[in-house]
Amino acid sequence: DVVMTQTPPSLSVAIGQSVSISCKSSQSLVHSDGKTYLNWLLQNPGQSPKRLIYQVSNLGSGVPDRFSGTGSEKDFTLKISRVEAEDLGVYHCVQATHVPHTFGAGTKLELK
Amino acid sequence: EVQLVESGGGLVQPGRSLKLSCLASGFTFSNYGMNWIRQAPGKGLEWVASISSSSSYIYYADTVKGRFTISRDNAKNTLYLQMTSLRSEDTALYYCARHRVSHWGQGVMVTVSS
Repeated sequence: DVVMTQTPPSLSVAIGQSVSISCKSSQSLVHSDGKTYLNWLLQNPGQSPKRLIYQVSNLGSGVPDRFSGTGSEKDFTLKISRVEAEDLGVYHCVQATHVPHTFGAGTKLELK
Repeated sequence: EVQLVESGGGLVQPGRSLKLSCLASGFTFSNYGMNWIRQAPGKGLEWVASISSSSSYIYYADTVKGRFTISRDNAKNTLYLQMTSLRSEDTALYYCARHRVSHWGQGVMVTVSS
């Protein structure tokens, strides 16, 4: 199985600050169709996960452009510019290239 | 708008069975593979099973293989998860999610306890 190593496990931020979260995979996430199925999800407290970013760098529907994703192969980063209160929660990376799909352990974004 | 609504959860004794459903709307269900994913209380996300659009390909996590069965009825826009021989470690919030985990339901709680 592909192991997803996500860091840091938690972040304490002030509103307006920018932060980055890293996700590294144990294998390349490039699918045989040439696409890289690495998503970033946000799980607000008490809510189900919502997709923020798909295929490394594409913004999901309705997701503000304060969020951005970069990376390739095995090394990926989510950046949040100018954190807002609604951004607080747990961020997950997930690879959907290989079966089983596997998740990072999550990064909890909290208010400083 | 894509909507996924799970149902069928509850409290069940160890060794018993339970069947979850996920009703899909807002997209052509028969065109997409689907997944079940779970989250134990206070824990991370764990993929459980996947099924292709025509049910030709089915995959399970090792932790549920032989006990859980994923299926779908494209005429009813519904995904299912039949769970048997339930264990305490199956206690979790179960989500259905569309292909490539693009969209998620709100989840349904399954508690396995005597």
